[in-house]
Amino acid sequence: EAGVTQFPSHSVIEKGQTVTLRCDPISGHDNLYWYRRVMGKEIKFLLHFVKESKQDESGMPNNRFLAERTGGTYSTLKVQPAELEDSGVYFCASSPGLLSGANVLTFGAGSRLTVL
Amino acid sequence: SQQGEEDPQALSIQEGENATMNCSYKTSINNLQWYRQNSGRGLVHLILIRSNEREKHSGRLRVTLDTSKKSSSLLITASRAADTASYFCATDARSNFGNEKLTFGTGTRLTIIP
Repeated sequence: EAGVTQFPSHSVIEKGQTVTLRCDPISGHDNLYWYRRVMGKEIKFLLHFVKESKQDESGMPNNRFLAERTGGTYSTLKVQPAELEDSGVYFCASSPGLLSGANVLTFGAGSRLTVL
Repeated sequence: SQQGEEDPQALSIQEGENATMNCSYKTSINNLQWYRQNSGRGLVHLILIRSNEREKHSGRLRVTLDTSKKSSSLLITASRAADTASYFCATDARSNFGNEKLTFGTGTRLTIIP
């Protein structure tokens, strides 16, 4: 079974530019999550899709961030325009949902974003 | 607000010794999970303990949960160099949206010295 795939693995952009991160979840996983870790701090929740719908986007920092999941398959996270504080590692995770009352996530390797 | 907080932030031990990491959280939970992250890789699920459980074992891993203190510990016995990684606890406190997102802490960076 293929895991969660993220692209690119590392992106270096100038402040003000746009970057789009992509996540391909495990096939059949309805739940897709985006998280971010900034400079060794906590892994912070950004948003949660159930199929193509945004279930919870309470963690999105501001309107410079736009996430989509067209057709309920892969998802993209666009940052436009990027700011210095957006630097960090963006993780995508997927899950089939609650199994025996627990939600276990499978993570991708992350996309490291560096904004100069 | 930060839900999980691991302690210590960093831990270095000799290979073969036991490593203990602690996690505290703030709200009521259904389950608590531990994940490991090797450098440059994604988080990998290690073990899950339910709120009605007090202790759980999986191989060299032992997890305890004290819901009255809102804390958990992860013990890795007979550590190996391959255990070098960051370890995170995650809780599934139900959100206002009623979803099942996990909330992570800052992690403990474990280094095993050969």
